[in-house]
Amino acid sequence: QVQLQQWGAGLLKPSETLSLTCAVSGGSFSGSYWSWIRQPPGKGLEWIGEVNYRGRINYNPSLKSRLTISLDTSKNQVSLNLTSVTAADTAVYYCARSLLLTAYINWGQGTLVTVSS
Amino acid sequence: QSALTQPASVSGSPGQSITISCAGVGNGIGGNDLVSWFQQHPGKAPKLLIYEVSNRPSGVSGRFSGSLSGNTASLTVSGLQAEDEGDYYCCSYVGNTIVVFGGGTKLTVL
Repeated sequence: QVQLQQWGAGLLKPSETLSLTCAVSGGSFSGSYWSWIRQPPGKGLEWIGEVNYRGRINYNPSLKSRLTISLDTSKNQVSLNLTSVTAADTAVYYCARSLLLTAYINWGQGTLVTVSS
Repeated sequence: QSALTQPASVSGSPGQSITISCAGVGNGIGGNDLVSWFQQHPGKAPKLLIYEVSNRPSGVSGRFSGSLSGNTASLTVSGLQAEDEGDYYCCSYVGNTIVVFGGGTKLTVL
């Protein structure tokens, strides 16, 4: 069974860079889409972006200028970097796997990232 | 960027059926079948209930069903149970390599 384990810094100051990693176990990278999704406290889900197993990347246009998503197939890991964070980036960040667009079948445990001075 | 509109809240009594709508705006969600639904309980990651408009992943109860009419997708929960209480989100590919979530609907079982 595919499991996603994610980690990264939970407290950032404004203007710093958010970095999260998601390790995949129990399954193959092949044929999958790997996405990042976030949820501000008490609010709804927001799609951040995705990378597929071939390395093709799509970003949320509202975040694109600050965003990098990458795939390390040798380590079975997916990474997220978001630069110049502000309080508006405070959220629980999830990595997720899908075999079809939008069908996120496996989720990481979520990482709360708080941006505060 | 298109938005998906859901009612903020719905409620029903145990055993009843409820339907949550998800209306596409702008490019809309009609025209492709890449619509999914998720259930989320407090403090937990979302759980996939429906994909490709009406398909259920293995292990998801048959009480959950999905449909699409024009630019509005719907999730129906039949035979409401207390454990169904939570937040529900629709999600759709809206073209131009963009995925959008609806704002979420809080389901209360009375």
